[in-house]
Amino acid sequence: DAGVIQSPRHEVTEMGQEVTLRCKPISGHNSLFWYRQTMMRGLELLIYFNNNVPIDDSGMPEDRFSAKMPNASFSTLKIQPSEPRDSAVYFCASSLYAGETQYFGPGTRLLVL
Amino acid sequence: RKEVEQDPGPFNVPEGATVAFNCTYSNSASQSFFWYRQDCRKEPKLLMSVYSSGNEDGRFTAQLNRASQYISLLIRDSKLSDSATYLCAVNVLNYGQNFVFGPGTRLSVLP
Repeated sequence: DAGVIQSPRHEVTEMGQEVTLRCKPISGHNSLFWYRQTMMRGLELLIYFNNNVPIDDSGMPEDRFSAKMPNASFSTLKIQPSEPRDSAVYFCASSLYAGETQYFGPGTRLLVL
Repeated sequence: RKEVEQDPGPFNVPEGATVAFNCTYSNSASQSFFWYRQDCRKEPKLLMSVYSSGNEDGRFTAQLNRASQYISLLIRDSKLSDSATYLCAVNVLNYGQNFVFGPGTRLSVLP
């Protein structure tokens, strides 16, 4: 079975540009999570969805960040405008239900110049 | 106080050694607990869930101490391939449910 799929795997962009990260969760999983990982702050939960509905977005750093889940098999995390401090690895994870084991995608390495 | 804390290490141990990591959590309502392993430049992968009665998987043993609010991971007969960062994750009950990950403990097993 395919795991969590993320694209792109790497993204280099200039400050001010819009960045869109994509995620396809494991089929049948009802919960989807977006994380950001940096050396300084570790793995931080940005937002999570249950049955395509955003449940907790308290981790979203600011209004420049937005996430959507239009259907059970696709989610996006958008940063507009991007800033150098957004440089990090962004992981998407899914689980059968919230609170169950989470399975991570390979991540998107974002570098904002 | 952070919700989940770990000693960042690094723990440098020789092959064959036994090494133990602890992870403390602050929310007494936490319901489920996990250990994840993360290799350099890779995603975290589930190593094992932590059950109230403790559980073992080969050379790995996980334990939960609710009274003192910590979980532990013991690795016996460590191998070079065990070198990685070990993250604990705690399911914190709030109006939804989500995981809080610790900062991770880095382990280097040396030949």
